[in-house]
Amino acid sequence: EVQLVESGGGLVQPGGSLRLSCAASGFTFSSFWLHWVRQVPGQGLVWVSRINTDGSITGYADSVKGRFTISRDNAKNTLYLQMNGLRPEDTAIYYCTRELMSGTNFWGQGTLVTVSS
Amino acid sequence: QSALTQPPSASGSPGQSVTLSCTGSSSDVGGYNFVSWYQQHPGKAPKVMIYEVSKRPSGVPDRFSGSKSGNTASLTVSGLQAEDEADYYCSSYGGSNNHVFGTGTKVTVL
Repeated sequence: EVQLVESGGGLVQPGGSLRLSCAASGFTFSSFWLHWVRQVPGQGLVWVSRINTDGSITGYADSVKGRFTISRDNAKNTLYLQMNGLRPEDTAIYYCTRELMSGTNFWGQGTLVTVSS
Repeated sequence: QSALTQPPSASGSPGQSVTLSCTGSSSDVGGYNFVSWYQQHPGKAPKVMIYEVSKRPSGVPDRFSGSKSGNTASLTVSGLQAEDEADYYCSSYGGSNNHVFGTGTKVTVL
């Protein structure tokens, strides 16, 4: 069974840092592009970042460029999102998702990040 | 990276059809055949319903179909059922290693 399980969310003060993890199982992790997508509860989906199969190609939304870093460890079947310089507007549920533009797309259940003093 | 434009809401009676639109630009929807549609029920993760404009993943009913004309993509749900009531989001590759989602449409089954 394909599974993506996000963790690492929580409450952090503005300017703080957090690292999200997404543990994968049930498929060949190293064969798939991966993305982070966020959603303020009650609002729409927003693409955050993506990474290719070996981690050599990454992309970011303008709103997080220079503050967030996506990475992956194919040996541990885990995707990461290092978030620095967090702002209140980064408050959202963060989803990891496999192959956003493909029929093999699959989503985790998300982890909530709250940025507040 | 402006969000793709979707109507906030749409509705139909059981058995009817509803068509949702998703308008972007030549830099995203119009420039690539990488448009996907996602269904999201309250409190749940999104689920892909259409990818590459008009392809259906296995397990998705053929009541769901997608198309594109110029900078606008469309999702049609035929034979509406109660379980189709959900939020629907389009997404497109935007070039330069970027992706963009639509603003979302809430579908109500009357």
